[in-house]
Amino acid sequence: GQQVMQIPQYQHVQEGEDFTTYCNSSTTLSNIQWYKQRPGGHPVFLIQLVKSGEVKKQKRLTFQFGEAKKNSSLHITATQTTDVGTYFCAVNTGGFKTIFGAGTRLFVKA
Amino acid sequence: NAGVTQTPKFQVLKTGQSMTLQCAQDMNHEYMSWYRQDPGMGLRLIHYSVGAGITDQGEVPNGYNVSRSTTEDFPLRLLSAAPSQTSVYFCASSLSGDPHEQYFGPGTRLTVT
Repeated sequence: GQQVMQIPQYQHVQEGEDFTTYCNSSTTLSNIQWYKQRPGGHPVFLIQLVKSGEVKKQKRLTFQFGEAKKNSSLHITATQTTDVGTYFCAVNTGGFKTIFGAGTRLFVKA
Repeated sequence: NAGVTQTPKFQVLKTGQSMTLQCAQDMNHEYMSWYRQDPGMGLRLIHYSVGAGITDQGEVPNGYNVSRSTTEDFPLRLLSAAPSQTSVYFCASSLSGDPHEQYFGPGTRLTVT
């Protein structure tokens, strides 16, 4: 079945450093979503990307969808302690199913 | 709106016991789903529903049953609990008829001994 590979698995950064997580698929995607889960919490929807080459920004977060629609990235500029958590990408497999990546856990040291 | 609610928050079962995890949403969402989350494995889809009376299997449906008699409720039943079902279970819903922009409940942490 369809899989999405997410890297890295963990990332430790100093507060103020940048952070990027990547999501890769072997097949062309119709869309991709990004979620954030705080420690002990539940996933919260951040954004959906649909178009080839799409770039969307939310304050310090920048989301990109690759030209071939097979990969995506989430970049955080100047991380803060409030950015701590796990970031997941998720893709719809056609129909009504969603596949989640394994997530990238972000640790931020103050 | 309460959003997506789940009960109980925590549960301990013995092997072979059965139980129902409750999920309700008050946003009139058509699409609802159940996921399990295990360390290092992200979220895996158990079952989903695109509307009242319609359910279908996800990636890991074995050992679980669901029903959708109303738009609001989507309970998940464990038929005969096994230690491999120890996990955190999340219910989610989506405004559209498909799983874009899902809203998640707070989760149920289940331990099977």
